[in-house]
Amino acid sequence: ETGVTQTPRHLVMGMTNKKSLKCEQHLGHNAMYWYKQSAKKPLELMFVYSLEERVENNSVPSRFSPECPNSSHLFLHLHTLQPEDSALYLCASSQGRAGDIAKNIQYFGAGTRLSVL
Amino acid sequence: AQKITQTQPGMFVQEKEAVTLDCTYDTSDPSYGLFWYKQPSSGEMIFLIYQGSYDQQNATEGRYSLNFQKARKSANLVISASQLGDSAMYFCAMDLKQAGTALIFGKGTTLSVSS
Repeated sequence: ETGVTQTPRHLVMGMTNKKSLKCEQHLGHNAMYWYKQSAKKPLELMFVYSLEERVENNSVPSRFSPECPNSSHLFLHLHTLQPEDSALYLCASSQGRAGDIAKNIQYFGAGTRLSVL
Repeated sequence: AQKITQTQPGMFVQEKEAVTLDCTYDTSDPSYGLFWYKQPSSGEMIFLIYQGSYDQQNATEGRYSLNFQKARKSANLVISASQLGDSAMYFCAMDLKQAGTALIFGKGTTLSVSS
């Protein structure tokens, strides 16, 4: 148990559906991240929130919409996805993003395995 | 450009033996951190070990040690006394203090431990 919980663990959705992925961290961290892991590809950073403010967005399509209502919760809202969006979506949190890199050790949840039909 | 390279797609080791997983990195930034993560088939990414670019000694965490060779820009993970539960995907990653980016990951190495 890493202290980062993701729900649901598995999700199957059609291209016209709207769904949301949820991430919750119990570590008292200030930064949260969404990563996408596709088959045979390195993890790709999607979004970073530090102190509830989005500080990085790696040119992710607008069909992915993040929300960070507080430092413990992070959502990824999905709408009109494409089959190529099928992947493992991982959430992570860390103590801080600037300064001491050691404080940026990221702790991950178990991921949501998404299938878009 | 910053980059992490893991050249071993798969590694095989017998139980109780030691194994080294290779990682090389590329950055011109003098301040950076190197991380290793383990990802079992369940999907969760588990933090194993961290090495800072200014750390004088190689990092160790239980059976894990990081062989940090700064001049060669390598940060190999050594797992001693392999166990069946070590079978997983292993990722090397880098963080750059100045750039302020999140982790850059390599493509990973699949480790299979047999009895």
